[in-house]
Amino acid sequence: QSVLTQPPSASGTPGQRVTISCSGRSSNIASNTVNWYQQLPGTAPKLLIYSNTQRPSGVPDRFSGSKSGTSASLAINGLQSEDEADYYCAAWDDSLSGVVFGGGTKLTVL
Amino acid sequence: QVQLVESGGGVVQPGRSLRLSCVASGFTFNDYGMHWVRQAPGKGLEWVAVVSYDGSHKFYADSVKGRFTFSRDNSKNTLYLQMNSLRAEDTAVYYCAKGDTTGYQGYFDYWGQGTLVTVSS
Repeated sequence: QSVLTQPPSASGTPGQRVTISCSGRSSNIASNTVNWYQQLPGTAPKLLIYSNTQRPSGVPDRFSGSKSGTSASLAINGLQSEDEADYYCAAWDDSLSGVVFGGGTKLTVL
Repeated sequence: QVQLVESGGGVVQPGRSLRLSCVASGFTFNDYGMHWVRQAPGKGLEWVAVVSYDGSHKFYADSVKGRFTFSRDNSKNTLYLQMNSLRAEDTAVYYCAKGDTTGYQGYFDYWGQGTLVTVSS
């Protein structure tokens, strides 16, 4: 059971907009910034969004993040086949004194 | 460019020990906190531990506290994860990851390729 809650799966067709939610609590998401990681099949995770809304250089602007209270969301506009991957949210948890992850969302491009 | 290269994984019996290493290059190693994150086969990501830039602060996941010890040698740009009393549930790919700050919070901006640890009799 992960501390942060994500839907296990999401899907969309090419060109569509998809959102992935991440729900936490006052000790993690509400108190600290949320980061998102993308893991393509068979590869190491990669930073996708940091500090709630920021994109590292090289990440397409189709990807965006937001946060409100104890929840955060990742949005992907103009879905592409290469976006098919697992997506994880993460944040520092003040009560646990550690980083907590969501269980991951497997995105399928139909 | 930033590189993180893990090593030391393998097959080990329950109750035994293993030490993982991670060699870093391409950045000023002693300016950043560093983390270990693991992923059991077919499962999600689980944070394991963090060490601050100078090794003065360390935090561990409850699942490994008291069994794992995270250390760093800034003169060698190397991290070490000493894993004792290993259990079947410790079976995972172990990734080292670079933090974005000197401390222990923040995000992981670079990841290694991982090293597989299998705990089995």
